[in-house]
Formats: sequence, structure tokens, C-alpha cells
Amino acid sequence: DTGVSQDPRHKITKRGQNVTFRCDPISEHNRLYWYRQTLGQGPEFLTYFQNEAQLEKSRLLSDRFSAERPKGSFSTLEIQRTEQGDSAMYLCASSRVPEEQYFGPGTRLTVT
Amino acid sequence: GENVEQHPSTLSVQEGDSAVIKCTYSDSASNYFPWYKQELGKGPQLIIDIRSNVGEKKDQRIAVTLNKTAKHFSLHITETQPEDSAVYFCAASLTGFQKLVFGTGTRLLVSP
Repeated sequence: DTGVSQDPRHKITKRGQNVTFRCDPISEHNRLYWYRQTLGQGPEFLTYFQNEAQLEKSRLLSDRFSAERPKGSFSTLEIQRTEQGDSAMYLCASSRVPEEQYFGPGTRLTVT
Repeated sequence: GENVEQHPSTLSVQEGDSAVIKCTYSDSASNYFPWYKQELGKGPQLIIDIRSNVGEKKDQRIAVTLNKTAKHFSLHITETQPEDSAVYFCAASLTGFQKLVFGTGTRLLVSP
């Protein structure tokens, strides 16, 4: 399977803990995106990388959130001091050309 | 910023009928309009897209139409099948901006 992969698929954590998610894009795609999706809503953009450079960040990405793509391949999204409002599906997408984004299966985060 | 509205929120059809989902966007500079299908527990799957220099695009049983003047675009599914049942999202983006702005989704139920 050469699609976008994400790990873990599910994460349950207690409020105040830190969590880290990983995304592996399609191999020839140099663009990588993170979105957040809450129940009954469409995905909302969080941040975008072209190769290893983080070029755009949403205001949704508070200072508790940090994303990296150190070698221009996989990416990690870390949430520090999680809050119940962080409970959501975190989606990663990648693209070779602008705009045509292909999504992974997502990581569902539950903060208790 | 861009805002995308999507209707209806739910749509029930009989197998073999056609289904139409409509979206409107606010920013006249938007020029890329993809449609995604999301099944339960999975990430969004790109099913068709259209750019602003084209009025209509078709791929087998699905088609998308774009009216730039009215700032709306629609997804048409003909000869619906039970496996078409899913949540469908429209989205829009501007050239030079990487993020997709999504609608709120339409839950399509195709009954045998």
C-alpha cells in the first residue's frame, strides 16, 4: 500500500499529558498537511510543509501544538498539556502538486 | 477568509436514483474545488475535482459542475449504489494558498 499512513490510529490520554502523532506521506510527495476534524464537521487546516520547511500555520495551532518534518519525509504533530477540547481526529495529507491532497486514515485522539 | 457552505446535510435515496449535493463559496478568487468521500473510521478520499477554467467534469457515475458567476459547485452521482453511502465533503482553495477549506459534509444514504 503506497498511501498516506498515520500512527497510532487511536490514542486515549489523560488531560495534561503530551501526545505525539506520526504521518508518513506518499513517497514522492513533497507537500504535507495536517488537519483536525471534529465530529460532524469537515476537516480544518492546521499546518503545511513543503519538504522540511513549515510554510503555513493556522491560528488553530496554539502554542501547545508543534509540528516537524525534519528530513522532508515523515512528520510528527505533538500536543503538549492536552485539554478535553483537543479530542478530535487528526488527519495528515500529502500532495505532489499543489491542491490535490490525499489523506491518511487519521489518528483519533480522546482526552479524558 | 474563504467560507464554504454545503447542502443538504443528509440525503436519502433509493438505489439507482441520482443524488445531487451543492456547495457555495465566498471568495471569488478560489479556483480549485475537490470533492471527498469519507467512510466511517477512514480518512477522506478524493473522488473528483474541478478547476475554475472548466465548467463540468465527469468520471463514470460522478460529475461535478461549477458556476463561477454564482460561486457554487455541485456533485452529481447517477445510478447510486449502496456502496455510495458515506459522508461527502466539498472544499475550495485559492492558487498560492495550500489549505483546503471544507464544507460541513453531506451524509448520503443509499437504500437497496
